[in-house]
Amino acid sequence: EAGVAQSPRYKIIEKRQSVAFWCNPISGHATLYWYQQILGQGPKLLIQFQNNGVVDDSQLPKDRFSAERLKGVDSTLKIQPAKLEDSAVYLCASSLDRLNEQFFGPGTRLTVL
Amino acid sequence: ILNVEQSPQSLHVQEGDSTNFTCSFPSSNFYALHWYRWETAKSPEALFVMTLNGDEKKKGRISATLNTKEGYSYLYIKGSQPEDSATYLCAPNSGGSNYKLTFGKGTLLTVNP
Repeated sequence: EAGVAQSPRYKIIEKRQSVAFWCNPISGHATLYWYQQILGQGPKLLIQFQNNGVVDDSQLPKDRFSAERLKGVDSTLKIQPAKLEDSAVYLCASSLDRLNEQFFGPGTRLTVL
Repeated sequence: ILNVEQSPQSLHVQEGDSTNFTCSFPSSNFYALHWYRWETAKSPEALFVMTLNGDEKKKGRISATLNTKEGYSYLYIKGSQPEDSATYLCAPNSGGSNYKLTFGKGTLLTVNP
């Protein structure tokens, strides 16, 4: 079974630029999560989708971050414009549904200069 | 948002040593506790999901215990090997209508050969 795929693996941008990350969950998984892990902290949930609907985006900085999950499969997370404090690893995870184990992708390491 | 504490923050041991770390979390509204292992540049890997007070789970040389009444879990590694070097994350879930994991900051384990 293929795991959760993410791209790119690494990205370096300057502040005020825009960036987008892509996630392809495990086939058949209805729930998709985006986490932000800042160095020295645990992963923090940014947004959770159930199929193509948002279940929880309470910790998503909506003035600069946006995410979508068209057709309930792949998802894209965008930052526009990026700030220095957005430097982090962005993890995507998926699960069969909200009550099941989450499987993680390898993450995208973002550096904002 | 749950307050999840992990200790120690980092740990250096010699190959063959046994070690353990702690995860503490609020005992109220407990539903489940997840342990993950996250090696550098790889995907976080699920180790255990624990739900019942007194639960003890084992996977090879790694085991974990759970005390939901006092709100803590221990992770033990017997005879540490260099390949055990990773960050170990715990994440309780308080249940309810939204199954959301709240991660601790993790324990970074380095096993020296």
